[in-house]
Amino acid sequence: DAGVTQSPTHLIKTRGQQVTLRCSPKSGHDTVSWYQQALGQGPQFIFQYYEEEERQRGNFPDRFSGHQFPNYSSELNVNALLLGDSALYLCASSFLRLQGRYEQYFGPGTRLTVT
Amino acid sequence: AQSVAQPEDQVNVAEGNPLTVKCTYSVSGNPYLFWYVQYPNRGLQFLLKYITGDNLVKGSYGFEAEFNKSQTSFHLKKPSALVSDSALYFCAVRVPNSGGYQKVTFGTGTKLQVIP
Repeated sequence: DAGVTQSPTHLIKTRGQQVTLRCSPKSGHDTVSWYQQALGQGPQFIFQYYEEEERQRGNFPDRFSGHQFPNYSSELNVNALLLGDSALYLCASSFLRLQGRYEQYFGPGTRLTVT
Repeated sequence: AQSVAQPEDQVNVAEGNPLTVKCTYSVSGNPYLFWYVQYPNRGLQFLLKYITGDNLVKGSYGFEAEFNKSQTSFHLKKPSALVSDSALYFCAVRVPNSGGYQKVTFGTGTKLQVIP
C-alpha cells in the first residue's frame, strides 16, 4: 500500500514564475491538506480539500490555490513566486470521518527554491 | 484561535536516559493532540495521538505522552532514549467541529539530540 506521494522532489524557480506541486493521498483517504514548512519552522497550514472543494484555509494569500481531483489527488499552485515562498511543501492525507479523529499521513515533501 | 508552544528548541539527553519533550496548547474546546517526528529531508511521521479517554497515550517506537487538561500540556516521553531517536519533534493540535473541516496547528518543533 503506497503512502502519500508528492512530485517533484525538488524544484527551482525564478521570482515571478508560477509553480504546480502534486500529491497523491494514501489509499482510501479522502482529504488532502497542504502545509508550508520554512527552514527551522513548523509546518504552516495552507488549505484543506475534501470532495474537490477547499474546506479550510490558513493565512496565505490568494497566490496560493489548489485543486482536488475525483481520485482524491491534489495540486498546489503558487503564482507570482516570491523569495519568501522558498520552503518544503508538505501534503498530508487523512479520513474526514469522525470529526477528524484520524491522524494525517504526510508525504516526503517538495523542496521549492525561488531565486 | 488555537496555538501550540514547544518551549525548548533543543533537548539533549544521554543514551539510555529518559527523555521528555514539552508541549503546551491553547484552544477553545476539547483538543485532539498529536506528536509527529521528522528526520532530515523527510516528511513527518505520526507517533501518537490523544483523542479522548486515558490521559496516558502510548505510540510508536516506545514513545508515550500524557494529556494534562489542567496544565494544558501534552508532553512526549520515552523511558530510555536511543541514538536513533535523534530527530525533530512536532506537537500539533486540532479542535474538532461538527463539519470535520478543521486545520491542524503545529508547534515550532524541538530538536532531540541523543548523545551516545
